[in-house]
Parts: sequence; C-alpha cells; structure tokens
Amino acid sequence: SYDLTQPPSVSVSPGQTASITCSGDKLGDKYACWYQQKPGQSPVLVIYQDTKRPSGIPERFSGSNSGNTATLTISGTQAMDEADYYCQAWDSITVVFGGGTKLTVL
Amino acid sequence: EVQLVESGGGLVKPGGSLRLSCAASRFTFNNAWMSWVRQAPGKGLEWIGRIKSKTEGGATDYAAPVKGRFTISRDDSKTTLYLQMNSLKTEDTAVYFCTTERLGGHDSWGQGTLVLVSS
Repeated sequence: SYDLTQPPSVSVSPGQTASITCSGDKLGDKYACWYQQKPGQSPVLVIYQDTKRPSGIPERFSGSNSGNTATLTISGTQAMDEADYYCQAWDSITVVFGGGTKLTVL
Repeated sequence: EVQLVESGGGLVKPGGSLRLSCAASRFTFNNAWMSWVRQAPGKGLEWIGRIKSKTEGGATDYAAPVKGRFTISRDDSKTTLYLQMNSLKTEDTAVYFCTTERLGGHDSWGQGTLVLVSS
C-alpha cells in the first residue's frame, strides 16, 4: 500500500511562514492536495492539483510538489490558520491521506 | 453553495448493519463522483470508497479494510448517496463524511454522521 508521511506537529509565530511537508514514494509524479480541519468541523480543501487554490481560499495558502515531497506553505500565518492539515494523493484508483499535521500558531 | 447532509448514523452492535444516506443539493449530482471518508475519534482521515457518475459507468472502488463489507450506491433521481455497512466491527467506529470528488480533490464535505459500533 502507498503511504504518505506528515510531521505530527508544526509551530509558527503569527505573521511568519509555516511549511508542512508530506512525503511519499515518487509523490511528485502524482497530484497532491491539502485539507484544513478545525476542531469540530469538516475538512476544507485548500490546495488541489499540487498548486491550485479553490475559490475562497486566501492567497497566503500555496502548494508545491516535487520528487518525494509535497509542501503546503502558509505565508503570513494568522491565528485563524491554527488547525489540522492533511495531505492526500491517489495510488492508482485509491485515495490515500497523510496522517495529519497539527499547526499551532503561537 | 453545495450542500451535503448525512444521516443514518447511530449505535450498532458488532456484526450488525447500518445504512447511511447523504442528501445532496445545489450542484449537478448525476455528473459527480461521490466518496465516503471516515474519521475515527481523535484520528486522521480515511478514505472508504467512491462511486463514479452513471455516465462514466457508475463503477465503485473501495479501500481494503471495507471491501466486501461496505457497498456504495447512488440514486440520481433523489440526488442521494448511500453507504451500506455490513459485518460492522468496533474499528469501524468513526464519523462518516460524504464528499464530492471533483477539482482533483474532495472539494465539498458534509457535516458527518457518527457511527458507534459497540456491544
């Protein structure tokens, strides 16, 4: 089975840049996407097809994907960005999620 | 704005069955691939499976842990997605989300329904 590995936690100061990585074998050959989930809420798609932002997602969210690593970058991180973030890719026909990263803004 | 409303969750004994529904509105349901994703308490997201649109054959795909026990179906006339769960195990306890699988991702999610498998 295909695995995606994320760091369990990342901390960032308000206004700084947060980077969350997602590692998988030849992940750069697949499309990756990212979800934000706040406590008690459903996940929200924030990045799809490696770099694209759905309508309504702030420009401070960006993505990249190359080699074995996809990265979600949040520029000028705000307190409201504190949440769990999950990467996701496809292994043939199946959907694979990373284990999630808790982003703390302090 | 897309609306997805799950229902049918509840308490069920191990070995039992349950059927979840997801009422969809405000988008062209019959053209959409639809998926179920679950989240065990305090854990991460786990994809369960999908059903493609009827125009693409309506094929289903499942994750290994549920293959042979769970069945996804759709009724385009009612714009409703279903998840039939049989032979339930305690490890199936989770919040179950219905999602649209478009845009190269799961772009819309319901609020989820809790399934608790316990004796």
